[in-house]
Amino acid sequence: DVKVTQSSRYLVKRTGEKVFLECVQDMDHENMFWYRQDPGLGLRLIYFSYDVKMKEKGDIPEGYSVSREKKERFSLILESASTNQTSMYLCASRGQGSTGELFFGEGSRLTVL
Amino acid sequence: GNSVTQMEGPVTLSEEAFLTINCTYTATGYPSLFWYVQYPGEGLQLLLKATKADDKGSNKGFEATYRKETTSFHLEKGSVQVSDSAVYFCALTQTYNFNKFYFGSGTKLNVKP
Repeated sequence: DVKVTQSSRYLVKRTGEKVFLECVQDMDHENMFWYRQDPGLGLRLIYFSYDVKMKEKGDIPEGYSVSREKKERFSLILESASTNQTSMYLCASRGQGSTGELFFGEGSRLTVL
Repeated sequence: GNSVTQMEGPVTLSEEAFLTINCTYTATGYPSLFWYVQYPGEGLQLLLKATKADDKGSNKGFEATYRKETTSFHLEKGSVQVSDSAVYFCALTQTYNFNKFYFGSGTKLNVKP
């Protein structure tokens, strides 16, 4: 069974803290994504990676960075968390030869106080 | 450009009622179209998809037909159950760039017993 695992389901952090969100997939997928989900706004792409150490900015990269040192792992980093980054974060992956289907993790709900 | 518009929710139905969630899109060429579902507390999962005009995607009693003439991909189910309560997202991606997904804002469905 295919699986995308996000390490933390719920996090509470303080303004200015550095935050790491981890995502691991077991499908040997080349492409991995970080989305942010907010009510009424749908999903917005933060960053994606199409290979190890390769990354591209999505629609809302400001305030975020990413790391992909191994194929199966894609990390989202908030260098200095702010209250407007309180949100649900979704990791997804996609195989290179697929017809586009994304596989999602269960999400990480981050609250920044 | 590419975009997806879906009906605002929430949609509240009684069990066994007929469901339609409207989705229209703007895109160049021949995109692939998807419906994803997000159950409470979970990430998104693919419900159905269609990759060319007049294709019908179906799964778990849900159906959607890719209508190029009306640029629509409406989701339907003949008889909803309480367990169908979830948020439904319409999405498209282009065959020339499967790493870019365009999501609608989501429609919350509440089904009452």
